[in-house]
Amino acid sequence: AQKVTQAQTEISVVEKEDVTLDCVYETRDTTYYLFWYKQPPSGELVFLIRRNSFDEQNEISGRYSWNFQKSTSSFNFTITASQVVDSAVYFCALSEAYNFNKFYFGSGTKLNVKP
Amino acid sequence: EAGVTQFPSHSVIEKGQTVTLRCDPISGHDNLYWYRRVMGKEIKFLLHFVKESKQDESGMPNNRFLAERTGGTYSTLKVQPAELEDSGVYFCASSRDRGNEQFFGPGTRLTVL
Repeated sequence: AQKVTQAQTEISVVEKEDVTLDCVYETRDTTYYLFWYKQPPSGELVFLIRRNSFDEQNEISGRYSWNFQKSTSSFNFTITASQVVDSAVYFCALSEAYNFNKFYFGSGTKLNVKP
Repeated sequence: EAGVTQFPSHSVIEKGQTVTLRCDPISGHDNLYWYRRVMGKEIKFLLHFVKESKQDESGMPNNRFLAERTGGTYSTLKVQPAELEDSGVYFCASSRDRGNEQFFGPGTRLTVL
């Protein structure tokens, strides 16, 4: 069965702190994609990253970094030196080779960054 | 390039009424998707169009939901008759190619009283 778990419902940090958002997935497929999306207060989901199952190399983009570990079925997202503008709901998602178009989302983690 | 747009942004209706949600995908995107998020839970897939054809409607909850995409452009999602459990945020997304990242609209918040 396919499933994405984001165990952290809500996280609050003070500006400039580092924060890691956890994502654990379940799939029987060996080929799949993992995604992170950001939902700011305006409502739309903003694409952040896509990672395929054959590429375990970690990725860094500015203050954002992603740690993909197949051994633990995790795809965690770290924000370094958080800013108030990072406050949003973050969703992790999975799609599988048999149907790449169908995304399975986690329940989201609400991040509050306080000044 | 304009993003995915959805109308209305918010709809409040009474149980038993009918509501139609509209989604305009990004121009040139043949793939259009509907998702729903209920009460802070996960965002769940409803269905996928390729142009005007329904490619996958495995996530549609029941026959009170009808999605159409006439001419392969905008799409509508009709709920008739609405029930209390239909309340939630309905997202639309589009993509140029299958399997690529999906671009999401801001969602329509549906409240059924």
